[in-house]
Amino acid sequence: DAGITQSPRYKITETGRQVTLMCHQTWSHSYMFWYRQDLGHGLRLIYYSAAADITDKGEVSDGYVVSRSKTENFPLTLESATRSQTSVYFCASRDRGQTEAFFGQGTRLTVV
Amino acid sequence: GESVGLHLPTLSVQEGDNSIINCAYSNSASDYFIWYKQESGKGPQFIIDIRSNMDKRQGQRVTVLLNKTVKHLSLQIAATQPGDSAVYFCAENIDTGRRALTFGSGTRLQVQP
Repeated sequence: DAGITQSPRYKITETGRQVTLMCHQTWSHSYMFWYRQDLGHGLRLIYYSAAADITDKGEVSDGYVVSRSKTENFPLTLESATRSQTSVYFCASRDRGQTEAFFGQGTRLTVV
Repeated sequence: GESVGLHLPTLSVQEGDNSIINCAYSNSASDYFIWYKQESGKGPQFIIDIRSNMDKRQGQRVTVLLNKTVKHLSLQIAATQPGDSAVYFCAENIDTGRRALTFGSGTRLQVQP
């Protein structure tokens, strides 16, 4: 299917476990982003990538790791999950020279 | 703190009325702004954008106004419909090497039938 997809849609994990959220886009967009959404904070940037093998930190990157070995995939890993990382995570992509970023449906992560 | 914010957390309007959602920003280096709509359980959806060298832009039933003097952005929705009920976010792209949007905290629009 064309578009941007995230998996899983819902995830419950325990404190201290490693968990990876997947993001896949079919447009070959250069830019990809990970945001987290918490009540009262809107969407905050965790990491972004300008191209394959080029990634950089956003404003709330502590405790997260990303990789981008292929243009279409941008997985987000929580190395050792904490309760404060309970949130809804959104992946987005945007083509170079365009303003519109397209968002996935989100992954609701609960850390217990 | 965030450089983009909103005046009203919840706006309730009657169906058929016009809606105005406001947003204040503080970064003069932003080169464009975007309004997103987010329905419950879904990701944000692009509505309209405006570049910093423009004052007004119109789309289908929506108009965005940009006042750089007071660093204010607004989204006007004409003839509001029940399907417009959602949370609306303004976002700015600060003109640096990082091409990522900074979002405000959102306004919930409730359309009463």
